[in-house]
Amino acid sequence: DSGVTQTPKHLITATGQRVTLRCSPRSGDLSVYWYQQSLDQGLQFLIQYYNGEERAKGNILERFSAQQFPDLHSELNLSSLELGDSALYFCASSVEGLAGELTVMNEQFFGPGTRLTVL
Amino acid sequence: AQSVTQLGSHVSVSEGALVLLRCNYSSSVPPYLFWYVQYPNQGLQLLLKYTTGATLVKGINGFEAEFKKSETSFHLTKPSAHMSDAAEYFCAVMVDGTNAGKSTFGDGTTLTVKP
Repeated sequence: DSGVTQTPKHLITATGQRVTLRCSPRSGDLSVYWYQQSLDQGLQFLIQYYNGEERAKGNILERFSAQQFPDLHSELNLSSLELGDSALYFCASSVEGLAGELTVMNEQFFGPGTRLTVL
Repeated sequence: AQSVTQLGSHVSVSEGALVLLRCNYSSSVPPYLFWYVQYPNQGLQLLLKYTTGATLVKGINGFEAEFKKSETSFHLTKPSAHMSDAAEYFCAVMVDGTNAGKSTFGDGTTLTVKP
């Protein structure tokens, strides 16, 4: 158990719909990362938040957005869903220093994922 | 920008045989390197990491990896494969800077262990 929780575990929805995935980081971790894992694209970094602010952006579509709340949990919002959005969505958290400073504890702890199926 | 290449999307070994999973990276600055394992229907779990210091890094479950700067490699090895090692393995690189949190992952290598 990594200490990172994600809900829901499974989500089935239709094209054009909007869903929200939720992540609670490990206690004390300020950084939250979102990843998408699909068969054809592999593991893709989407976005990172650090203490409520966006820190880094990866291959995140404009239809997707995320935020990190004061209690440090994060939500990933996916809208206008398409069949190709079907994937596993992982959240990870880590301890991180300020202004991009890395620490030796900067490995990421992954949650169990949310499996999204768009029909 | 950094990148990671994992050579071989599938590796098959016999139980008790040497496991070698290859990872090469590209980075303009000294990298931080990680190996993660993903078991079916689970999230990724850190196996080991290289940040600074000793270039031979030991991880969990008997795995180790050696950072070779001259070869830009960080190959993962285990002397004797066990059936429970069957999983997907990801190499990742992270560099310091403004996008410090942005890890770049390889495409993964699926390890099959035959009895």
